[in-house]
Amino acid sequence: ETGVTQTPRHLVMGMTNKKSLKCEQHLGHNAMYWYKQSAKKPLELMFVYNFKEQTENNSVPSRFSPECPNSSHLFLHLHTLQPEDSALYLCASSQDSSGNTGELFFGEGSRLTVL
Amino acid sequence: AQSVTQPDIHITVSEGASLELRCNYSYGATPYLFWYVQSPGQGLQLLLKYFSGDTLVQGIKGFEAEFKRSQSSFNLRKPSVHWSDAAEYFCAVGDGGTSYGKLTFGQGTILTVHP
Repeated sequence: ETGVTQTPRHLVMGMTNKKSLKCEQHLGHNAMYWYKQSAKKPLELMFVYNFKEQTENNSVPSRFSPECPNSSHLFLHLHTLQPEDSALYLCASSQDSSGNTGELFFGEGSRLTVL
Repeated sequence: AQSVTQPDIHITVSEGASLELRCNYSYGATPYLFWYVQSPGQGLQLLLKYFSGDTLVQGIKGFEAEFKRSQSSFNLRKPSVHWSDAAEYFCAVGDGGTSYGKLTFGQGTILTVHP
C-alpha cells in the first residue's frame, strides 16, 4: 500500500459507544495530523504529532483522544460523542523538520455519524 | 494569525470554459501557499504549491496559480474546464515557521461543471 490509509471509511455510533479511527501512512513521514471537516466550515486542525510527540491540541474536547504509537500510525479514540461531532475526519502526514514544506498528504477520511 | 478567504462558495461553469477560483490570504511573512482538490467522499489531493521563485506555478490536471504579493492573492486558473474537474477546491496557507507543516484552509469553493 502507498499513501495514507484510513479505516473505517464509515462509522455510525451512539453517544454512549466507544470506537476508534485508525490512520496509517506509508510515506516515511514523521508528522501526522487529525483534521475535522464539517459541512460549511473550513477544515479544523485537531491534533498534530511530530516524531510521535503531540505538538498541537487545538482545544479539542476530551471525548476525542489521540494516540500515536509510532510515526506510521495514528489513532483517534472516540467516546461519549455528541451528534454535532458527526463529520468527516481526515488524517494527514507530512515530512519532518529536515524537509518541511508544509505540504500535507491526506487520507480519504472516515465519515462519522453520531446518533 | 494567518487566515485564508475564498470569496466564492459555489461556482458554475460550462465544460470548455475558462476558470478562475479566488483566494486571499493573510500572513505576516512570505507564505507557503497550496491548492487542494476534494472529490465527493474523498480526501484532499494537492493540485499545486508555491514556496518561492516564479510566481506562476503549474500543477496537475492542467491547473496553474499565480502568487501576487501586492494583492495577497493566490488565484487558481484553468484555461478549459473538463466535467471531471467538478469538485471542491481548497486554498491553504502554511506556517513554515514550525518544524512540521501546519495549514490553515479556506472554506472551499464548490465547482459545478455543466455539459
